[in-house]
Amino acid sequence: GESVGLHLPTLSVQEGDNSIINCAYSNSASDYFIWYKQESGKGPQFIIDIRSNMDKRQGQRVTVLLNKTVKHLSLQIAATQPGDSAVYFCAEGYDYKLSFGAGTTVTVRA
Amino acid sequence: KAGVTQTPRYLIKTRGQQVTLSCSPISGHRSVSWYQQTPGQGLQFLFEYFSETQRNKGNFPGRFSGRQFSNSRSEMNVSTLELGDSALYLCASSGRGQGGRETQYFGPGTRLLVL
Repeated sequence: GESVGLHLPTLSVQEGDNSIINCAYSNSASDYFIWYKQESGKGPQFIIDIRSNMDKRQGQRVTVLLNKTVKHLSLQIAATQPGDSAVYFCAEGYDYKLSFGAGTTVTVRA
Repeated sequence: KAGVTQTPRYLIKTRGQQVTLSCSPISGHRSVSWYQQTPGQGLQFLFEYFSETQRNKGNFPGRFSGRQFSNSRSEMNVSTLELGDSALYLCASSGRGQGGRETQYFGPGTRLLVL
């Protein structure tokens, strides 16, 4: 079936550097995409979303890019901080449900 | 505004038992979705309810069921528990009724361990 996947299961980043987390999706009918952050022992926390009629959206220290041609989604985190260490999931929305990728574990090095 | 709440937070059951998990959505939200999260399978969609009606269902056996009440609170039930049902069960709510086309906000989850 259709699924959303992340390119890398882990990412190690130096504090202060920018992070880029990638995600590939396969359902061309998906029209809504969300990035979530999950810390240990907690539920996923909303970071930022984007609709399929957009290709870029910015939030506070985060930017989501959507490339529908190659079905690729990315999350950029500026000036990565220790508190950014977590598992990051991308999700695609279609037909009243979200399908999640496997997640990327981001570790921030001091 | 209070977030999504789930009870209980932790639960231990034995094989063959049944379990009921509860979710209270964010005030004003009418859509509630349930997900199962395991290390091996990641986040898997179980079902979604809106105005007491199930609108979509994932690929889980009939042992997994749910319902939604008129106040939008939701419960999910798992009957005849199996070891593989051990997981974190997450509930998410959203407001405008567009289901997967809108932001879903997650609760902290219920950690179920089946022995």
